[in-house]
Amino acid sequence: QSVLTQPPSASGTPGQRVTISCSGSSSNIGSNTINWYQQLPGTAPTLLIYSNNKRPSGVPDRFSGSKSGTSASLAISGLQSEDEADYYCGGWDDSLNGYVFGTGTKVTVL
Amino acid sequence: QLQLQESGPGLVKPSETLSLTCTVSGGSIRSSSHYWAWIRQPPGKGLEWIGRIYYGGTTYYNPSLKSRVTISVDTSRNQFSLKLSSVTAADTAVYYCARHSGADGSLDYWGQGILVTASS
Repeated sequence: QSVLTQPPSASGTPGQRVTISCSGSSSNIGSNTINWYQQLPGTAPTLLIYSNNKRPSGVPDRFSGSKSGTSASLAISGLQSEDEADYYCGGWDDSLNGYVFGTGTKVTVL
Repeated sequence: QLQLQESGPGLVKPSETLSLTCTVSGGSIRSSSHYWAWIRQPPGKGLEWIGRIYYGGTTYYNPSLKSRVTISVDTSRNQFSLKLSSVTAADTAVYYCARHSGADGSLDYWGQGILVTASS
Protein backbone atom coordinates (compact mmCIF):
# COMPACT_ATOMS: atom_id res chain seq x y z
CA GLN A 1 0.00 0.00 0.00
CA SER A 2 1.35 3.40 -1.04
CA VAL A 3 1.97 6.04 1.63
CA LEU A 4 1.89 8.85 -0.93
CA THR A 5 -1.57 9.66 -2.28
CA GLN A 6 -2.28 10.96 -5.76
CA PRO A 7 -5.55 11.46 -7.66
CA PRO A 8 -6.14 8.48 -9.96
CA SER A 9 -6.72 10.63 -13.02
CA ALA A 10 -6.39 14.10 -14.49
CA SER A 11 -7.20 15.47 -17.90
CA GLY A 12 -7.07 18.56 -20.07
CA THR A 13 -7.21 19.79 -23.62
CA PRO A 14 -4.08 20.65 -25.58
CA GLY A 15 -2.53 23.86 -24.32
CA GLN A 16 -4.18 23.70 -20.90
CA ARG A 17 -2.45 23.51 -17.54
CA VAL A 18 -2.83 20.34 -15.49
CA THR A 19 -1.76 19.92 -11.86
CA ILE A 20 -1.22 16.64 -10.01
CA SER A 21 -1.01 16.52 -6.23
CA CYS A 22 0.98 14.16 -4.01
CA SER A 23 0.03 13.99 -0.36
CA GLY A 24 2.25 12.44 2.29
CA SER A 25 3.36 12.92 5.87
CA SER A 26 6.11 14.33 8.04
CA SER A 27 8.23 11.20 7.62
CA ASN A 28 8.41 11.43 3.82
CA ILE A 29 7.49 14.63 1.97
CA GLY A 30 7.77 16.66 5.16
CA SER A 31 11.43 15.77 5.67
CA ASN A 32 12.82 14.67 2.30
CA THR A 33 12.84 15.83 -1.30
CA ILE A 34 10.26 14.59 -3.78
CA ASN A 35 10.83 13.27 -7.27
CA TRP A 36 8.39 12.79 -10.15
CA TYR A 37 8.42 10.09 -12.81
CA GLN A 38 6.66 9.82 -16.16
CA GLN A 39 5.67 6.42 -17.54
CA LEU A 40 4.58 6.42 -21.16
CA PRO A 41 2.40 3.46 -22.21
CA GLY A 42 4.35 0.21 -22.39
CA THR A 43 7.65 1.73 -21.30
CA ALA A 44 9.79 2.04 -18.19
CA PRO A 45 9.38 5.10 -15.97
CA THR A 46 11.73 8.03 -16.51
CA LEU A 47 12.79 10.75 -14.08
CA LEU A 48 10.85 13.95 -14.76
CA ILE A 49 11.55 16.15 -11.71
CA TYR A 50 14.11 15.68 -8.91
CA SER A 51 14.77 17.52 -5.66
CA ASN A 52 11.22 18.91 -5.65
CA ASN A 53 11.60 21.25 -8.60
CA LYS A 54 14.65 20.48 -10.74
CA ARG A 55 14.42 19.15 -14.28
CA PRO A 56 16.93 16.65 -15.70
CA SER A 57 18.53 17.59 -18.98
CA GLY A 58 16.08 17.14 -21.84
CA VAL A 59 12.87 17.59 -19.85
CA PRO A 60 10.81 20.49 -21.25
CA ASP A 61 10.34 23.51 -19.00
CA ARG A 62 6.56 23.15 -19.20
CA PHE A 63 6.97 20.52 -16.48
CA SER A 64 7.45 22.01 -13.03
CA GLY A 65 7.38 20.76 -9.45
CA SER A 66 6.78 22.30 -6.07
CA LYS A 67 6.56 21.25 -2.43
CA SER A 68 4.92 22.72 0.64
CA GLY A 69 4.79 21.00 3.99
CA THR A 70 3.68 17.41 3.51
CA SER A 71 2.37 17.87 -0.03
CA ALA A 72 3.93 18.22 -3.46
CA SER A 73 2.63 19.08 -6.89
CA LEU A 74 3.53 18.52 -10.51
CA ALA A 75 2.28 21.00 -13.08
CA ILE A 76 2.17 20.52 -16.82
CA SER A 77 1.60 23.75 -18.68
CA GLY A 78 0.83 23.86 -22.38
CA LEU A 79 -0.41 20.26 -22.32
CA GLN A 80 0.54 18.22 -25.38
CA SER A 81 -0.72 14.90 -26.71
CA GLU A 82 2.62 13.26 -25.95
CA ASP A 83 2.14 14.06 -22.27
CA GLU A 84 -0.53 11.35 -22.03
CA ALA A 85 1.06 9.00 -19.50
CA ASP A 86 1.07 7.82 -15.90
CA TYR A 87 2.83 10.07 -13.39
CA TYR A 88 4.25 8.98 -10.03
CA CYS A 89 5.72 10.92 -7.15
CA GLY A 90 8.39 9.25 -5.04
CA GLY A 91 10.66 9.93 -2.11
CA TRP A 92 12.41 8.54 0.93
CA ASP A 93 10.41 7.71 4.04
CA ASP A 94 12.36 7.98 7.29
CA SER A 95 9.92 5.83 9.27
CA LEU A 96 9.98 2.96 6.78
CA ASN A 97 13.66 3.55 6.00
CA GLY A 98 12.82 2.97 2.37
CA TYR A 99 11.70 4.65 -0.83
CA VAL A 100 7.98 5.08 -1.43
CA PHE A 101 5.97 5.84 -4.54
CA GLY A 102 2.67 7.61 -4.96
CA THR A 103 -0.42 5.79 -6.13
CA GLY A 104 0.00 7.18 -9.64
CA THR A 105 -2.06 9.55 -11.80
CA LYS A 106 -3.14 8.85 -15.35
CA VAL A 107 -3.13 12.01 -17.45
CA THR A 108 -5.43 12.06 -20.46
CA VAL A 109 -5.27 14.66 -23.21
CA LEU A 110 -8.80 15.25 -24.45
CA GLN B 1 25.43 6.89 -21.47
CA LEU B 2 24.62 4.65 -18.55
CA GLN B 3 22.49 1.60 -19.39
CA LEU B 4 20.90 -1.04 -17.17
CA GLN B 5 19.62 -4.38 -18.42
CA GLU B 6 17.60 -6.93 -16.46
CA SER B 7 17.95 -10.64 -17.18
CA GLY B 8 16.56 -13.86 -15.79
CA PRO B 9 13.73 -16.38 -16.12
CA GLY B 10 10.35 -15.04 -17.18
CA LEU B 11 8.48 -17.82 -15.43
CA VAL B 12 8.83 -18.99 -11.83
CA LYS B 13 6.81 -21.68 -10.08
CA PRO B 14 4.91 -20.79 -6.90
CA SER B 15 6.91 -21.40 -3.71
CA GLU B 16 10.20 -21.18 -5.64
CA THR B 17 12.76 -18.37 -5.71
CA LEU B 18 12.77 -15.58 -8.30
CA SER B 19 16.29 -14.62 -9.38
CA LEU B 20 17.15 -11.63 -11.56
CA THR B 21 20.37 -9.87 -12.51
CA CYS B 22 20.93 -6.29 -13.61
CA THR B 23 23.97 -5.55 -15.76
CA VAL B 24 25.27 -1.99 -15.69
CA SER B 25 27.13 -0.66 -18.74
CA GLY B 26 28.51 2.74 -19.64
CA GLY B 27 29.56 3.39 -16.05
CA SER B 28 30.90 1.72 -12.92
CA ILE B 29 28.75 0.18 -10.24
CA ARG B 30 31.52 1.20 -7.83
CA SER B 31 30.17 4.73 -7.59
CA SER B 32 30.41 6.44 -4.23
CA SER B 33 27.45 8.65 -5.18
CA HIS B 34 24.87 6.07 -6.09
CA TYR B 35 22.88 3.09 -4.95
CA TRP B 36 21.38 0.38 -7.14
CA ALA B 37 17.72 -0.49 -6.80
CA TRP B 38 14.98 -2.93 -7.75
CA ILE B 39 11.39 -1.80 -8.36
CA ARG B 40 8.42 -3.84 -9.54
CA GLN B 41 5.06 -3.14 -11.13
CA PRO B 42 2.23 -5.72 -11.19
CA PRO B 43 0.23 -5.68 -14.43
CA GLY B 44 -2.04 -2.64 -14.53
CA LYS B 45 -0.88 -1.41 -11.11
CA GLY B 46 1.54 1.08 -9.59
CA LEU B 47 5.23 1.01 -8.73
CA GLU B 48 6.63 -0.73 -5.66
CA TRP B 49 10.19 -0.20 -4.43
CA ILE B 50 11.80 -3.49 -3.44
CA GLY B 51 15.17 -2.34 -2.12
CA ARG B 52 18.60 -0.98 -2.90
CA ILE B 53 22.28 -1.77 -2.43
CA TYR B 54 25.51 0.20 -2.25
CA TYR B 55 28.56 -1.23 -4.02
CA GLY B 56 30.10 -1.88 -0.63
CA GLY B 57 27.18 -4.16 0.22
CA THR B 58 24.93 -2.01 2.42
CA THR B 59 21.29 -2.81 1.76
CA TYR B 60 17.87 -1.30 2.44
CA TYR B 61 14.69 -3.30 1.87
CA ASN B 62 10.98 -2.59 1.68
CA PRO B 63 9.69 -3.71 5.10
CA SER B 64 6.77 -5.53 3.49
CA LEU B 65 9.15 -7.74 1.46
CA LYS B 66 12.19 -7.82 3.73
CA SER B 67 11.72 -11.38 4.96
CA ARG B 68 11.83 -12.75 1.39
CA VAL B 69 14.28 -10.42 -0.40
CA THR B 70 18.04 -10.51 -0.88
CA ILE B 71 19.89 -7.99 -3.04
CA SER B 72 23.58 -8.57 -3.74
CA VAL B 73 26.29 -6.94 -5.82
CA ASP B 74 29.13 -8.31 -7.96
CA THR B 75 31.49 -5.42 -8.66
CA SER B 76 33.79 -7.56 -10.81
CA ARG B 77 30.95 -8.09 -13.29
CA ASN B 78 29.34 -4.66 -12.80
CA GLN B 79 26.11 -6.42 -11.82
CA PHE B 80 23.67 -6.55 -8.98
CA SER B 81 21.03 -9.17 -8.33
CA LEU B 82 17.64 -9.78 -6.76
CA LYS B 83 16.38 -12.93 -5.09
CA LEU B 84 12.77 -13.18 -3.93
CA SER B 85 11.85 -16.39 -2.15
CA SER B 86 8.56 -18.26 -1.76
CA VAL B 87 6.89 -16.50 -4.67
CA THR B 88 3.14 -16.50 -5.21
CA ALA B 89 0.93 -15.22 -8.01
CA ALA B 90 0.98 -11.83 -6.26
CA ASP B 91 4.67 -11.51 -7.19
CA THR B 92 3.85 -11.51 -10.91
CA ALA B 93 5.11 -8.17 -12.16
CA VAL B 94 7.48 -6.28 -14.41
CA TYR B 95 10.73 -5.98 -12.47
CA TYR B 96 12.93 -2.95 -13.10
CA CYS B 97 16.46 -2.23 -11.98
CA ALA B 98 17.48 1.41 -11.57
CA ARG B 99 20.15 3.73 -10.22
CA HIS B 100 19.45 5.77 -7.09
CA SER B 101 21.14 9.14 -6.80
CA GLY B 102 22.79 9.33 -3.41
CA ALA B 103 22.36 13.10 -3.33
CA ASP B 104 18.61 13.39 -3.74
CA GLY B 105 17.35 9.82 -3.84
CA SER B 106 15.95 10.08 -7.32
CA LEU B 107 15.90 7.05 -9.60
CA ASP B 108 17.68 8.61 -12.55
CA TYR B 109 18.41 5.65 -14.83
CA TRP B 110 16.10 2.66 -15.36
CA GLY B 111 16.33 -0.65 -17.17
CA GLN B 112 13.64 -1.56 -19.68
CA GLY B 113 12.07 -4.05 -17.29
CA ILE B 114 11.44 -7.79 -17.38
CA LEU B 115 8.09 -9.51 -16.91
CA VAL B 116 8.22 -12.34 -14.40
CA THR B 117 5.16 -14.55 -14.06
CA ALA B 118 4.65 -16.77 -11.02
CA SER B 119 2.66 -19.74 -12.25
CA SER B 120 2.79 -23.50 -12.33
